Amino acid sequence: DIQMTQSPSTLSASVGDRVTITCRASQSIYNRLAWYQQKPGKAPKLLIYEASSLESGVSSTFSGSGSGTEFTLSISSLQPDDFATYYCQQYNSYSFGPGTKVDIK
Amino acid sequence: QVQLVQSGAEVKKPGASVKVSCKASGYTFTTYAIHWVRQAPGQRLEWIGWVNTANGNTKYSQKFHGRVTITRDTSASTAYMELSSLRSEDTAVYYCASDRAPIEAGGDVFDIWGQGTMVTVSA
Repeated sequence: DIQMTQSPSTLSASVGDRVTITCRASQSIYNRLAWYQQKPGKAPKLLIYEASSLESGVSSTFSGSGSGTEFTLSISSLQPDDFATYYCQQYNSYSFGPGTKVDIK
Repeated sequence: QVQLVQSGAEVKKPGASVKVSCKASGYTFTTYAIHWVRQAPGQRLEWIGWVNTANGNTKYSQKFHGRVTITRDTSASTAYMELSSLRSEDTAVYYCASDRAPIEAGGDVFDIWGQGTMVTVSA
């Protein structure tokens, strides 16, 4: 099984900050990596697929990079609506990372 | 509009089974695979399995193999996930989600999600 890890587990930031979340896979997944945003009581929302492709309708303040085993999600300027939990997912065998909660500093 | 609508919350006793439905609308049901994912309180998302909506083939996470059955009814544009031998650790929100790319493209990310179904297992 492919294991996914994320860091940090919690990130405190202010509106306007640039934030970066890291996701690592236990073996190479090439670029088969997605990022989702989840708010309390809601289903996840797809943000990024193929490691760096922005899903239609998602703000361009979100970007993704990486390949192989190490990936990052960046938010260039944090907006009030961006405070949420972010999960990475590899879609070779579909496992998810443990999540990174972005909260207000 | 494109959406997946799931059945309502369930409360089950340990050892029982639960069957959750996921009705698709706004697109051709047999074009995109349907996956099932669960999330226990405060935990990460966990993939359960998926169904090829065109031919009914399934694949399950090893963790759930033998306890889960995913089916579909093309006439009703609905997928089902049945989990048996329930235990307290199965208490979670269960989601269905559809692939972003058509089935013939191979496994893909999940772009449309159902609203979630809370399953509570308690004596």
